[in-house]
Amino acid sequence: TQLLEQSPQFLSIQEGENLTVYCNSSSVFSSLQWYRQEPGEGPVLLVTVVTGGEVKKLKRLTFQFGDARKDSSLHITAAQPGDTGLYLCAGGGGADGLTFGKGTHLIIQP
Amino acid sequence: DAGVIQSPRHEVTEMGQEVTLRCKPISGHNSLFWYRQTMMRGLELLIYFNNNVPIDDSGMPEDRFSAKMPNASFSTLKIQPSEPRDSAVYFCASSLPGIDEQYFGPGTRLTVT
Repeated sequence: TQLLEQSPQFLSIQEGENLTVYCNSSSVFSSLQWYRQEPGEGPVLLVTVVTGGEVKKLKRLTFQFGDARKDSSLHITAAQPGDTGLYLCAGGGGADGLTFGKGTHLIIQP
Repeated sequence: DAGVIQSPRHEVTEMGQEVTLRCKPISGHNSLFWYRQTMMRGLELLIYFNNNVPIDDSGMPEDRFSAKMPNASFSTLKIQPSEPRDSAVYFCASSLPGIDEQYFGPGTRLTVT
């Protein structure tokens, strides 16, 4: 079973601060995905990273896939209250389904 | 286009009752997934289908759980009999052929008392 561990589990910061959350595994994944989930809704895909060392940017969000394709990070610059939510990483997919981490609960206080 | 549709959005039932959750995937998506989410265990894959055929049901907790996909546009997850520990949010997701990205429905919040 491939496991994904996310850290920190909870994070509460002030608006305007920067933050990084992590997704780690002992297994190699063909791809990793990041989802954001808001209360009462299903997860929504933010990005997919495929190549080791890949960096993708989505406005103030920067996603990086580790060189060995075992880990990933999400960095948010100048966080805003709208960034509040549960951030989930997921690996695998295709014929094997996705394995999700337990997520990072992020709260951005105005 | 409509996203993944799930019903009901909320279900409250008594222990021992049968519960049926429903899902309509996005048109054209040939893979369908059922997940359960709790604070303690996070998001767990229960079962998934490719082209209406169950591929992996190893995540189904026990025989009380069953899932069907009679056609490309409809799937059900049934719990019989339900128990309080089944209380969770159940999500359905679908994806395109050969694509890892999954699109989730809004979930069904199940409470078993």
